[in-house]
Amino acid sequence: DADVTQTPRNRITKTGKRIMLECSQTKGHDRMYWYRQDPGLGLRLIYYSFDVKDINKGEISDGYSVSRQAQAKFSLSLESAIPNQTALYFCATSDPTAAGGHLYGYTFGSGTRLTVV
Amino acid sequence: AQSVSQHNHHVILSEAASLELGCNYSYGGTVNLFWYVQYPGQHLQLLLKYFSGDPLVKGIKGFEAEFIKSKFSFNLRKPSVQWSDTAEYFCAVNAYDAGNMLTFGGGTRLMVKP
Repeated sequence: DADVTQTPRNRITKTGKRIMLECSQTKGHDRMYWYRQDPGLGLRLIYYSFDVKDINKGEISDGYSVSRQAQAKFSLSLESAIPNQTALYFCATSDPTAAGGHLYGYTFGSGTRLTVV
Repeated sequence: AQSVSQHNHHVILSEAASLELGCNYSYGGTVNLFWYVQYPGQHLQLLLKYFSGDPLVKGIKGFEAEFIKSKFSFNLRKPSVQWSDTAEYFCAVNAYDAGNMLTFGGGTRLMVKP
């Protein structure tokens, strides 16, 4: 099983619909992130969570909300989807507790390709 | 806030050609630097990372990168590319005193022709 699992892998939805993307992890990491990937723009941070009670807005949070149901689960919701939210969405986790305190990398899920029509 | 620039958006090479992908960042403090690779249809995987010490770091699959602090650069290199290196490459920076958040560059799409 993958360390970071995203569901669904692909989704087509209509403008105005509410949609939830789910992410679960078996890494035991406290930190979880949601990014969206657009051609030429790289990955941009939507929301991040350092633990179950700590949720923070990222660079492009407008139009999105999140829920950290448990250490292992971090869901991203689009309350009313619009076409410019068509993108590839990635969930990631990290563990900053490695030696040095700041030595860590991210573990990414396989992504959810969302199309809003 | 830190930012990351990757100047080459698309690169096309023939097999056995040498590769250098540019990455520049803007941040005056201590940084950690990463290169990630995304093969078609897959998620991002870590290629290599720099935290301290020798500025020339070696990663998987024959890739290496050199941190030049004076130029705020962390360019990725490979002496001889293979068709299987076709992928998108992302440079990322984590500022030590910015909550350990990663900021990604816009990515470089590499196509290697057989």
